[in-house]
Amino acid sequence: ELKVEQNPLFLSMQEGKNYTIYCNYSTTSDRLYWYRQDPGKSLESLFVLLSNGAVKQEGRLMASLDTKARLSTLHITAAVHDLSATYFCAVDGGYQLIWGAGTKLIIKP
Amino acid sequence: DVKVTQSSRYLVKRTGEKVFLECVQDMDHENMFWYRQDPGLGLRLIYFSYDVKMKEKGDIPEGYSVSREKKERFSLILESASTNQTSMYLCASSTSDTQYFGPGTRLTVL
Repeated sequence: ELKVEQNPLFLSMQEGKNYTIYCNYSTTSDRLYWYRQDPGKSLESLFVLLSNGAVKQEGRLMASLDTKARLSTLHITAAVHDLSATYFCAVDGGYQLIWGAGTKLIIKP
Repeated sequence: DVKVTQSSRYLVKRTGEKVFLECVQDMDHENMFWYRQDPGLGLRLIYFSYDVKMKEKGDIPEGYSVSREKKERFSLILESASTNQTSMYLCASSTSDTQYFGPGTRLTVL
């Protein structure tokens, strides 16, 4: 059974700091997704990682995928308040996505 | 831009009522999904559909049914709503890649 674990589940950090969210999954998968959800709103696609070693960057967010380690990271550089949200990773489980529990990120001014 | 719309943002129903949640997408996607989202539990798949009139159970189908009569529309039905179905319901559609989500319906069952 494919399981996806994110950590940390909650992260409070100061503006300007760097931090990394981790997403581990239990069995082989070729695709990994990162989504963002603002409070009371729906999910927005951030990144799709399709192969081992894939790295994608958008602004202060960078995502990478290591399929051998079954690990993806979402790195936040010089955090700003606008990045406060809940971040989800999801792994392609064949006919459906398998979701992590989400990381609630609070960035304090 | 892909657009996924849901019929209601907020809904309050009474126990035992039949509830319809509707989802419409405008990008001719074949795959559509219904999730519920509860604090600390992430997203849990209720049902999905890969074509008109085709449906598959997800992880938590009990107490729910679905209908897909047209490609663009995917309905979630609660035959007899119960208080434990109070939740945020999210619809999504996809090609073979990214899932695009609707704004969500926050359902409260009293």
